[in-house]
Amino acid sequence: EAGVAQSPRYKIIEKRQSVAFWCNPISGHATLYWYQQILGQGPKLLIQFQNNGVVDDSQLPKDRFSAERLKGVDSTLKIQPAKLEDSAVYLCASSLGLGGNYNEQFFGPGTRLTVL
Amino acid sequence: GIQVEQSPPDLILQEGANSTLRCNFSDSVNNLQWFHQNPWGQLINLFYIPSGTKQNGRLSATTVATERYSLLYISSSQTTDSGVYFCAVEDSGAGSYQLTFGKGTKLSVIP
Repeated sequence: EAGVAQSPRYKIIEKRQSVAFWCNPISGHATLYWYQQILGQGPKLLIQFQNNGVVDDSQLPKDRFSAERLKGVDSTLKIQPAKLEDSAVYLCASSLGLGGNYNEQFFGPGTRLTVL
Repeated sequence: GIQVEQSPPDLILQEGANSTLRCNFSDSVNNLQWFHQNPWGQLINLFYIPSGTKQNGRLSATTVATERYSLLYISSSQTTDSGVYFCAVEDSGAGSYQLTFGKGTKLSVIP
């Protein structure tokens, strides 16, 4: 069974530029998560989708970050304009669903973003 | 929100040694997972263990939900066990299904 796919794996941009990340979850997984992991810390949730609807985006900096999952499968996360403090690894995860055993989450390899 | 504390923050082991990593959490949880983040940054699922005990090869985990802690045991450690081990929990009272991660335990296994 294929795991969570993410691209690109690495991205270097200058501040104030825009960037987009793509994620394809495990087949059949209804729930998709985007996390931000700053060096030396654990991942922190940015946004959570159930199918194509947003479940929780309370920690997403909406003035510069946006995300969509239009067809309920793959998802894109965009940053516009990027700031230096956005340098981090962006991780996508998926789970079968919400609650109980359905919420076991599986992570992709991540996209390492460097903002200069 | 729920607090997750992991200990120790850093651990250095000789190859072949055993170790115990601890995760304390401040509230009741629906979900608890242990992950290994390898040197390339990939988060690898080790255990889904909201309660009870599980074993997988040289690794085992125990969660005592009533006392709000979980333990990860690594026996006969190998250099490939090096990396950061994260505990992550889903707060049962929050109404959200997000995982809250601890700060991790950085394990270095030396030959």
